[in-house]
Amino acid sequence: AQSVAQPEDQVNVAEGNPLTVKCTYSVSGNPYLFWYVQYPNRGLQFLLKYITGDNLVKGSYGFEAEFNKSQTSFHLKKPSALVSDSALYFCAVRDRAGKSTFGDGTTLTVKP
Amino acid sequence: GAGVSQSPSNKVTEKGKDVELRCDPISGHTALYWYRQSLGQGLEFLIYFQGNSAPDKSGLPSDRFSAERTGGSVSTLTIQRTQQEDSAVYLCASSSRDRVFEQYFGPGTRLTVT
Repeated sequence: AQSVAQPEDQVNVAEGNPLTVKCTYSVSGNPYLFWYVQYPNRGLQFLLKYITGDNLVKGSYGFEAEFNKSQTSFHLKKPSALVSDSALYFCAVRDRAGKSTFGDGTTLTVKP
Repeated sequence: GAGVSQSPSNKVTEKGKDVELRCDPISGHTALYWYRQSLGQGLEFLIYFQGNSAPDKSGLPSDRFSAERTGGSVSTLTIQRTQQEDSAVYLCASSSRDRVFEQYFGPGTRLTVT
């Protein structure tokens, strides 16, 4: 069975500093990996995906994620955090049949 | 264009009653997903419809839960004999055949069972 782990419930960073939100996964075969963001009082939004190709994937709002096969990780990163990035972030893995498994989420707080 | 819509946005029901939650996916999207998000929890997969294929029901927590998708479009999630532990936000998502890996989520239905 596939699984996703987000080891940090909460990540706090100062505005302007780089941020990393961690994600590790377990899946049979090649992974399809995703990050979604949930802003307060709003629905989930797709941020970025890794299907194949370059290990560094760029997505919306300046976010990027690095796929590391040997470490089975897909950490979300941004070089310079904004207060408006404060939200709940979910990592997800999808199997070939289309079923997606989400992590428990990480709350990112960016302080001015 | 219009996104995924869900109704009602909020539903309060008494324990033991049945409820129906509706999802209207983005027009033309062939895949539809239901998830449950409990307070302070991550997303829990419930069921997945893809075109005319048999749905993946592996995430439904009990036989009180069922879902239908009529005409390949609108879906209804039904919870029978609701329990307090069913209280959660129920999210629907859809994706297109061309961009099957990108799910677009609706705003959710907040279900409270008293």
